[in-house]
Amino acid sequence: EAQVTQNPRYLITVTGKKLTVTCSQNMNHEYMSWYRQDPGLGLRQIYYSMNVEVTDKGDVPEGYKVSRKEKRNFPLILESPSPNQTSLYFCASTSDPIQPQHFGDGTRLSIL
Amino acid sequence: DQQVKQNSPSLSVQEGRISILNCDYTNSMFDYFLWYKKYPAEGPTFLISISSIKDKNEDGRFTVFLNKSAKHLSLHIVPSQPGDSAVYFCAARATYSGAGSYQLTFGKGTKLSVIP
Repeated sequence: EAQVTQNPRYLITVTGKKLTVTCSQNMNHEYMSWYRQDPGLGLRQIYYSMNVEVTDKGDVPEGYKVSRKEKRNFPLILESPSPNQTSLYFCASTSDPIQPQHFGDGTRLSIL
Repeated sequence: DQQVKQNSPSLSVQEGRISILNCDYTNSMFDYFLWYKKYPAEGPTFLISISSIKDKNEDGRFTVFLNKSAKHLSLHIVPSQPGDSAVYFCAARATYSGAGSYQLTFGKGTKLSVIP
């Protein structure tokens, strides 16, 4: 089954404790992206990647890092999480920019 | 600066009637538009799209209309069913060379409730 898998689905942690949210897709897609969804703000892009070792900032990259060492994986790294990063995060992938993206089921992060 | 606007946070419609969800955009470089549907505890799923060279695209009960001069698009669902109850996001993309051509800009979403 074609899917985008995120882990963990839920995480409660404390300010400053480094965390990584993993994202993996089994569709051999070149393009992957991270979004955050906040009430009243919709979906905002954090980072995206067009291929292995090619990443670029989206609209709200501050406080986040990404890496793309393998085609299937695109982890999101919060080096020093802060409460304003409490949000619902989605990873997405697509084979081509003109094609619709496939989204994971989301990761709800709470930073205390 | 919000480039994609969905001004109605919520919409309630009777089952069997038409649902019309609206979306406005400000960036004249946008040339490809998509609608996504999102159920609670799930990721958004693609619903329908339209290129700027068209003014209408239809897929079953779903039709998207694009008015480029007004920078406005709308999603029509006919007839509406209770299973259509979800949050609908409008998204837009600008086609140009370079890494940025992958960026999608989303609206805030409209929560549709279809009442049986």
